Amino acid sequence: DAGVTQSPTHLIKTRGQQVTLRCSPKSGHDTVSWYQQALGQGPQFIFQYYEEEERQRGNFPDRFSGHQFPNYSSELNVNALLLGDSALYLCASSDEDRNLREQYFGPGTRLTVT
Amino acid sequence: GEDVEQSLFLSVREGDSSVINCTYTDSSSTYLYWYKQEPGAGLQLLTYIFSNMDMKQDQRLTVLLNKKDKHLSLRIADTQTGDSAIYFCAERAGGYQKVTFGTGTKLQVIP
Repeated sequence: DAGVTQSPTHLIKTRGQQVTLRCSPKSGHDTVSWYQQALGQGPQFIFQYYEEEERQRGNFPDRFSGHQFPNYSSELNVNALLLGDSALYLCASSDEDRNLREQYFGPGTRLTVT
Repeated sequence: GEDVEQSLFLSVREGDSSVINCTYTDSSSTYLYWYKQEPGAGLQLLTYIFSNMDMKQDQRLTVLLNKKDKHLSLRIADTQTGDSAIYFCAERAGGYQKVTFGTGTKLQVIP
């Protein structure tokens, strides 16, 4: 049973560029959440997708957007990258039918903005 | 709003028990979680407790919840060097899907 997978593992971008990160949820999970983890900090909630819709959003600007596909996989897009966007981006999946009790994380994508 | 606080660092000797503490502010929390993060890795769900419970035990792990003081603790019995990692406390508030994390406690296990 594959867990949560994310791609790419690492990414280096320049300020002002755009980036797309990808996530495949754990088998049987239909809900995907994205988090940003800056160095030395806990993860910060970006947004959550369920039934291909953004259901809840944290305190992140509109430069951060996402998408969920019919197979439940998801993308995180960040436009006009800033140096401060450098972080580990974590995807987590959960099961709506189990009341989202257990949220499982992928290994993350390390984004460096230069 | 939600806020979760943890001490930054804990050092214990191998074989001793470790106790990692956490306080949270949202009284409508439904689930409280403990995650483990090893260097360069994602977060591993260790255990969680529903807010109407006081205690949960899972092998070497014991979670204690004091709802009155909004205090959560994780006890690791017979701590091993493989337990060295950063441990995050997190809460999910009632009616909301997002999970709010603390800043993490770095556990160092001395052989």
